[in-house]
Formats: sequence, structure tokens, C-alpha cells
Amino acid sequence: NAGVTQTPKFQVLKTGQSMTLQCAQDMNHEYMSWYRQDPGMGLRLIHYSVGAGITDQGEVPNGYNVSRSTTEDFPLRLLSAAPSQTSVYFCASSGGRGEYGYTFGSGTRLTVV
Amino acid sequence: DAKTTQPPSMDCAEGRAANLPCNHSTISGNEYVYWYRQIHSQGPQYIIHGLKNNETNEMASLIITEDRKSSTLILPHATLRDTAVYYCIVRVANTGGFKTIFGAGTRLFVKA
Repeated sequence: NAGVTQTPKFQVLKTGQSMTLQCAQDMNHEYMSWYRQDPGMGLRLIHYSVGAGITDQGEVPNGYNVSRSTTEDFPLRLLSAAPSQTSVYFCASSGGRGEYGYTFGSGTRLTVV
Repeated sequence: DAKTTQPPSMDCAEGRAANLPCNHSTISGNEYVYWYRQIHSQGPQYIIHGLKNNETNEMASLIITEDRKSSTLILPHATLRDTAVYYCIVRVANTGGFKTIFGAGTRLFVKA
């Protein structure tokens, strides 16, 4: 039982490049979400999903796309990376529709130059 | 959406109880209070949650006032490893599901 797995752990992108951050969970959780955390700041919700085929926007969705084709996976796509997207990205999952405690991944540290 | 207010930082002596307060005066009747913590730059860790009754688990106790406008997370015997940022969160319901909004949290320093 691996929990929530995020890949890659570190990534450097050039401005304008696109990439996908991967998130996978093996707990059969319906609810998954993506957060970003800037240095010294709290977490901000980007997108979330309450089940396969269902996604919704969080606080800061601009510049990011998500899809949920399976229960296990919830990838986050950066369409055209900008320096303002330099951050640590965390993926989380929970049973039900998020009413239970979340399990977080270990994060992806992204730098956009 | 209910918002939470926490002190930005607190100190606690090792071995003593750490009492972390949280105000959530606009909480709705069906909203739960959750606590998480984040050690260094690791992913946040779920601690405990409750609706209106006090709750206890192996990590901590959660005391919610009768009017539910505030709560306190209690770490009964704080250790150096409890130094972390603690987040108090009220679950927000949204059409089709739920989303959780994190605030800035309280940075707890446990000192020897």
C-alpha cells in the first residue's frame, strides 16, 4: 500500500514549456485534489475531483488543467509554464467526497526559469 | 464559506501540553473542523476532526466549544518532533462535492 505517489519529485522548466505532474493513489479513494504551496505560505487549492470523470476548480485554477479518467490517477497539466508557477505541488486523496482526513503525497518541487 | 483564524506562531516547552486555538465564528451546522500539520516541507498530515463533540485519538485531542465558534487542538505531551505548522480547517461544501481551503496555520515551536 503506497498511499499517494507523486512524480517527479523535482522539476525545472523553462518559461513556456508544458508538463504534467503525476499523482496516483492505491486506496480506492474517490476524492483527489491538487494544492500549491509557495515559500513560507499556506496551501492553495488548484483543482479537485470527487470521482472519475468529475473535476472542479479551486482557488487558483488559472494556468492548470486536470482530468480524472480513472479513480487512481489525477494528473495536473501546466499548459505554458510561467515563473509565477514556481512552487511545491501537493496531491491529496480521501475516501468519500473529502469528508474524511486527507492523505497527502510528498510533493513535487517545480522551478520555472 | 466559513473561515478560520489562528495565531501565526506559538511556543511550547517539551513535555508540556500544547494548546493551539482556532476561531471559526461563521461555521455552519453541517461543517466539520479538521486539523492537519506540516513538518518542514513534507506533505501535510491529518491529525483529527470533529463536528461538535470533543474527540481524541492517539495523536491529539480536539475540544470544540458548545457554540462551535472556536476549537482547540491539544497535544498532551509535546516533543521536539511536534514542531510544525498546524492548520485548522473547516470543510466547505460545494455543488457536486467538497473542497478544503487551507489558511496560513500556526507555526508551533517546541523547545527543549
